[in-house]
Amino acid sequence: RKEVEQDPGPFNVPEGATVAFNCTYSNSASQSFFWYRQDCRKEPKLLMSVYSSGNEDGRFTAQLNRASQYISLLIRDSKLSDSATYLCVVNGPGGYQKVTFGTGTKLQVIP
Amino acid sequence: DADVTQTPRNRITKTGKRIMLECSQTKGHDRMYWYRQDPGLGLRLIYYSFDVKDINKGEISDGYSVSRQAQAKFSLSLESAIPNQTALYFCATSGTALNYGYTFGSGTRLTVV
Repeated sequence: RKEVEQDPGPFNVPEGATVAFNCTYSNSASQSFFWYRQDCRKEPKLLMSVYSSGNEDGRFTAQLNRASQYISLLIRDSKLSDSATYLCVVNGPGGYQKVTFGTGTKLQVIP
Repeated sequence: DADVTQTPRNRITKTGKRIMLECSQTKGHDRMYWYRQDPGLGLRLIYYSFDVKDINKGEISDGYSVSRQAQAKFSLSLESAIPNQTALYFCATSGTALNYGYTFGSGTRLTVV
């Protein structure tokens, strides 16, 4: 089993739709979690950290389910500009050297 | 100016050549990293440094070396480039807390022919 797994997609959704991605991780002792956004041929940019209690930033909501070992990202009212690849990042025990990036989920928002 | 600057942006080099990729940051962070990204493989850690005197190998350090010239500068060298080192290379920096995300440079697209 991969340390961090994501559905590669693509998820093709119409503008205004709600879309959700999940990311599963294998190490139950993982300590911190993030979602990054990466546009084609560009650098990843931090979208949001994921907290146990769940957190929201505008149209974006992130959730952590430790029991089932997954994190999720929900995007409401999708915009064309949301089209990108979303990377799940898990920081395990041992600090930075256990930071593992998922291979990403591609989202395409269609007019 | 960008928080993390990488040079060059693109480079084509021949097999066997030595090449250096440079990275500088203005975030004032001590921690810096070099990653490579290949299609379908995600980002993989090459080397990391927690301060000027601290250099550590990541998961794929063979064929690479690094130099931390100052807190703000961290360079990556390919001693003798080979075609399977063709990839997108990213430099990143971070704060020390575990929940502190990374700031990436804009990347260097390297092609070894």
